Amino acid sequence: RKEVEQDPGPFNVPEGATVAFNCTYSNSASQSFFWYRQDCRKEPKLLMSVYSSGNEDGRFTAQLNRASQYISLLIRDSKLSDSATYLCVVGMNYGGSQGNLIFGKGTKLSVKP
Amino acid sequence: EAGVVQSPRYKIIEKKQPVAFWCNPISGHNTLYWYRQNLGQGPELLIRYENEEAVDDSQLPKDRFSAERLKGVDSTLKIQPAELGDSAVYLCASSPRDRGTDTQYFGPGTRLTVL
Repeated sequence: RKEVEQDPGPFNVPEGATVAFNCTYSNSASQSFFWYRQDCRKEPKLLMSVYSSGNEDGRFTAQLNRASQYISLLIRDSKLSDSATYLCVVGMNYGGSQGNLIFGKGTKLSVKP
Repeated sequence: EAGVVQSPRYKIIEKKQPVAFWCNPISGHNTLYWYRQNLGQGPELLIRYENEEAVDDSQLPKDRFSAERLKGVDSTLKIQPAELGDSAVYLCASSPRDRGTDTQYFGPGTRLTVL
């Protein structure tokens, strides 16, 4: 079983649509959770961290369910510029210092006019 | 603030040749990572440095890959000899040791093609 699993897509949606991505992780000791965005032929960039209480950043909402080991990302009112690959990422913290991050394969989103 | 710098951006070599990649992290970032990203996959960690110490190199294929970060700042990753399966994007990332934050900042990567 992969440590971080995502549906690779592609998700093809019209502008203005709401789209949701899901991700599951296998290591129950994982302590940090993120969504990174990666544009075609570019490097990954942090989109947002994910907290157990859920968090929102503009049109983006992330949720974490530790019991189910499940992470989600909701994008409302999709824009053409949202077209990218969204990477689900989980990490381990070691005594407060940096831990390693495990990346999923990514979910590709294409927003059409 | 300058981001993570990598060079070269592209490299094409024939199999069995050596190749080296260079990375300069964001100023003040103590932790440096090298990742490999194959087409359609997420980045996979090769090695992680805390200052000049390699604290996790368990995923580095040590028969042909080597890395160094001699002064705890910039780093090089070398492959010798390269194989066809090494074709990938090699990403460098850095992060600050600031209250345990895990945010990693990536460089643009080096796209390696082995013929």
